[in-house]
Amino acid sequence: AQKVTQAQTEISVVEKEDVTLDCVYETRDTTYYLFWYKQPPSGELVFLIRRNSFDEQNEISGRYSWNFQKSTSSFNFTITASQVVDSAVYFCALTRSGGSYIPTFGRGTSLIVHP
Amino acid sequence: EAGVAQSPRYKIIEKRQSVAFWCNPISGHATLYWYQQILGQGPKLLIQFQNNGVVDDSQLPKDRFSAERLKGVDSTLKIQPAKLEDSAVYLCASSFPGGGSPLHFGNGTRLTVT
Repeated sequence: AQKVTQAQTEISVVEKEDVTLDCVYETRDTTYYLFWYKQPPSGELVFLIRRNSFDEQNEISGRYSWNFQKSTSSFNFTITASQVVDSAVYFCALTRSGGSYIPTFGRGTSLIVHP
Repeated sequence: EAGVAQSPRYKIIEKRQSVAFWCNPISGHATLYWYQQILGQGPKLLIQFQNNGVVDDSQLPKDRFSAERLKGVDSTLKIQPAKLEDSAVYLCASSFPGGGSPLHFGNGTRLTVT
């Protein structure tokens, strides 16, 4: 069975602070994909990034960076110099790569960025 | 490209009534998902289609929920009869086949059962 744990329910920061959202996953599969999605107040979930289990390279995209560590089954997301527009609920998700690839989502972390 | 279309955006019904939601996926996306998102929780998969076949419906309360995707494109999700605990946002998503394909979500339908 697959499981995604986002232990941080809500994080509150002041603009320009750096913030890290944690994601820990469980799976028996050797090949799988991890995702991050953003759900702004408008409600529509938006895909941010995908990482496959064979690629442990960290990735940076502007103010966003992702740290994937298979040894600790974690896929953490860092926002540098946070902005008010980053306020949203962020979800981590896990999918096996083949067969019945049912996406499993974590409970989400609500990020509030104060001006 | 046009996104995933869902309707209605909001629906308020009384318990024991029936309700239906509609979803039109992104063109070319063979896989379609219906998720239920209760306030403060992550999306919970109700049913996953590959074209017009069901891949997984293990968490669909089949005594009251039904879903179909007859021509492998549009899909409808129905609840009959509704219960108070069905109050949630119902999200439709679509993707290309395969676990590595990201999901594209619609705006969702917010259902309130009174």
